[in-house]
Amino acid sequence: GDSVTQTEGQVALSEEDFLTIHCNYSASGYPALFWYVQYPGEGPQFLFRASRDKEKGSSRGFEATYDKGTTSFHLRKASVQESDSAVYYCALAPNSGGSNAKLTFGKGTKLSVKS
Amino acid sequence: EAAVTQSPRSKVAVTGGKVTLSCHQTNNHDYMYWYRQDTGHGLRLIHYSYVADSTEKGDIPDGYKASRPSQENFSLILELASLSQTAVYFCASSRGLNQDTQYFGPGTRLLVL
Repeated sequence: GDSVTQTEGQVALSEEDFLTIHCNYSASGYPALFWYVQYPGEGPQFLFRASRDKEKGSSRGFEATYDKGTTSFHLRKASVQESDSAVYYCALAPNSGGSNAKLTFGKGTKLSVKS
Repeated sequence: EAAVTQSPRSKVAVTGGKVTLSCHQTNNHDYMYWYRQDTGHGLRLIHYSYVADSTEKGDIPDGYKASRPSQENFSLILELASLSQTAVYFCASSRGLNQDTQYFGPGTRLLVL
């Protein structure tokens, strides 16, 4: 079945550091790929998505590029802030339709940014 | 702005007891979902629904039932709560199923003793 593998556990950075959280997927065809962010005490919220090869998604200074060749959708930000501390989820939704077309989440990566 | 609310926000239950978690959305969305979140597992889908009076099993439905009495409301029912069901539960809604954005509620923290 479909699966998402992302950077495990926790990433600890200082303010203004460059962030990369790796996300690789396994699915047939061209699934839609998502990043969600979850701040402490809240539910996950949509960050952005991409649906086609080489499409870039971006929001709030974060970006990721859909790469069909490497089956990846890595999250990047040039300069993180303490307010970016949160759990980040990569997710995919197949484009096959039908009742099995559900969102599959990775296990989440906790980002901690120190000032 | 999408709005999904959950009640209660936290609950302590006894093993073997019945627990009902409620979710309400004002997005006019057809699809609603229940997920559980555990450290090391991320978000896992329990049940979902695409129309009132109908529910579908997700990836981990065992030990859970769901009810969708109206488009706006979706409940998760634990008939016989167990220790292993201690987790944070999230409800979400979306317009469609395939590739539509899901909007999540704030979560319910359930502790089963």
